Amino acid sequence: EAQVTQNPRYLITVTGKKLTVTCSQNMNHEYMSWYRQDPGLGLRQIYYSMNVEVTDKGDVPEGYKVSRKEKRNFPLILESPSPNQTSLYFCASSPPGYANEKLFFGSGTQLSVL
Amino acid sequence: SQQGEEDPQALSIQEGENATMNCSYKTSINNLQWYRQNSGRGLVHLILIRSNEREKHSGRLRVTLDTSKKSSSLLITASRAADTASYFCATDGNNNNDMRFGAGTRLTVKP
Repeated sequence: EAQVTQNPRYLITVTGKKLTVTCSQNMNHEYMSWYRQDPGLGLRQIYYSMNVEVTDKGDVPEGYKVSRKEKRNFPLILESPSPNQTSLYFCASSPPGYANEKLFFGSGTQLSVL
Repeated sequence: SQQGEEDPQALSIQEGENATMNCSYKTSINNLQWYRQNSGRGLVHLILIRSNEREKHSGRLRVTLDTSKKSSSLLITASRAADTASYFCATDGNNNNDMRFGAGTRLTVKP
């Protein structure tokens, strides 16, 4: 089944403890991106990647890192999480030729930083 | 910063009625997209309209785009209870490859 898979679905951690949220797609998509969703603010883009080894900052990149070493994977790394990074996170990808159009979204990761 | 702003924030209608949601944006765009989200789950792409298009249809969905007013509307005709969800507009950002979403319209369709 064609899909974007995020793990974990729920994560509770403490301030300063490094964590990684994984994202994988099996559709050979080139464009991948990360978003956070907070009440009343909609989705805000954190980072995006046009292809392997190409990443760019979105609107809210501070406190996050990403890497794109393989086409299918785009992990989101929080080196030193803080409570203001408590949020619902989504990974998304899009078909070749569509870049930031017609995104396929993962099911989300609810992160709580205590 | 958000590019799109949806209006209204919440909309409640009866099944069978039409639902209209509006989106306004601030800077010039190449395209505008509408997505749907069911209660905290991943968004689903509904429809895309390019800046040189004025209207587009997909099933019960009708999207219009007015670039002079920097606004778009999404019309859902003959609504069903299953249409209950949040609807977001999204536009390309400053460098054309990033994306910006509005805060969404929460639609409730009562059976």
